[in-house]
Amino acid sequence: DAGVIQSPRHEVTEMGQEVTLRCKPISGHNSLFWYRQTMMRGLELLIYFNNNVPIDDSGMPEDRFSAKMPNASFSTLKIQPSEPRDSAVYFCASGQGGAEKLFFGSGTQLSVL
Amino acid sequence: DAKTTQPNSMESNEEEPVHLPCNHSTISGTDYIHWYRQLPSQGPEYVIHGLTSNVNNRMASLAIAEDRKSSTLILHRATLRDAAVYYCILGVPTDSWGKLQFGAGTQVVVTP
Repeated sequence: DAGVIQSPRHEVTEMGQEVTLRCKPISGHNSLFWYRQTMMRGLELLIYFNNNVPIDDSGMPEDRFSAKMPNASFSTLKIQPSEPRDSAVYFCASGQGGAEKLFFGSGTQLSVL
Repeated sequence: DAKTTQPNSMESNEEEPVHLPCNHSTISGTDYIHWYRQLPSQGPEYVIHGLTSNVNNRMASLAIAEDRKSSTLILHRATLRDAAVYYCILGVPTDSWGKLQFGAGTQVVVTP
């Protein structure tokens, strides 16, 4: 398996633009997580899905952030409109319910100018 | 949520053991202790986890105190590739561990 695949690897955009980050979890995994990492706040859990259903989105910073999981093999995290303070590395992770570990993607480095 | 406390950084010489402590004095009976590490410019990587008994795998060993209020991750022979931030996290086994909350972790520096 290729692991958790995130795209794009890097994204540079201007303030006010819409940004969409994509994640393909490992086949067969039924849980998916979005994290954000900054120097100031470290790794923060934004939202997680189980069987494509959002279970907890309490970490989503504000209404400008939204996440979807239309099927078991794809998820998006959208920021609209983007702001400079959204600049961070965004990680996607997946896991199989009851299994021992989560698998993380390589992340998307987002820079909002 | 139960919290963990780790030293900010630790230094080790190559090929020597590294003992990374983690305090979790408010751990509940259902909390598992997880360790992940993050190498530079990569996503976190699973290392090991346990509930009550000590655990060993090819990467490391996890020693859990009898009262479960603390644990130690042991890297038996540090290599330069082990230089990373190591996170100690508590989690309950529902929905693939649900809300695994990462703290600041311990930066491990390995010196040749």
